[in-house]
Amino acid sequence: DIQMTQSPSSLSASVGDRVTITCRASQGINYFLAWYQQKPGEVPKLLIYAASTLQSGVPSRFSGSGSGTDFTLSISSLQPEDVATYYCQNYNSPPYTFGQGTKLEIK
Amino acid sequence: EVHLVESGGGLVKPGEYLRLSCTVSGFTFSSYTMNWVRQAPGKGLEWVSSINSGSTYMYYEDSVKGRFTISRDNAKNSLYLQMDSLRAEDTAVYYCASPPPWCTSTRCHFDSWGQGTLVTVSS
Repeated sequence: DIQMTQSPSSLSASVGDRVTITCRASQGINYFLAWYQQKPGEVPKLLIYAASTLQSGVPSRFSGSGSGTDFTLSISSLQPEDVATYYCQNYNSPPYTFGQGTKLEIK
Repeated sequence: EVHLVESGGGLVKPGEYLRLSCTVSGFTFSSYTMNWVRQAPGKGLEWVSSINSGSTYMYYEDSVKGRFTISRDNAKNSLYLQMDSLRAEDTAVYYCASPPPWCTSTRCHFDSWGQGTLVTVSS
């Protein structure tokens, strides 16, 4: 089975900082990688799919890159409303594993 | 707009069973692979199971294989998860999730999510 490993597990940054979260798949998954944002008490929200395609309505400060086994989610200028936990997910083949999550906080 | 509503959660004892339902509106349910995802209290997201549009392929996370059964009724726009032999570690909020309208394969991200239903397994 494919394992998804995110790093870091938690992250504290200042408003305006550039933030980067990485996700590594244990096997190649082409570009079938999605990123989700989950704010406390809320349902997960799709941010990016196909590794780099921004979901409609998501602010352009979010971006994704990568293919194969190594992927990145970036926030170009961190905003207070970006406080959340972020998850990557393989959807190339089942099991459609999620990463363990990265909790992002404001410093 | 796609709308998913889960139901059927509750408090049960270890070894008991529950059947979750997810009713879908706003898209052609019968054309899409559907999914269950769970989240234990304070923990991350865990994919549980998926079923393709024609119910010919069902996939399960290893810890639920042989205990959970996913099914669907396309005439009722409904997705189900039969959960037998429940364990304390199955305690979680269970979400159903659907792909975007343009993705009719099994290789789709999860575009829309329900609000979830809480399953608590405790003696």
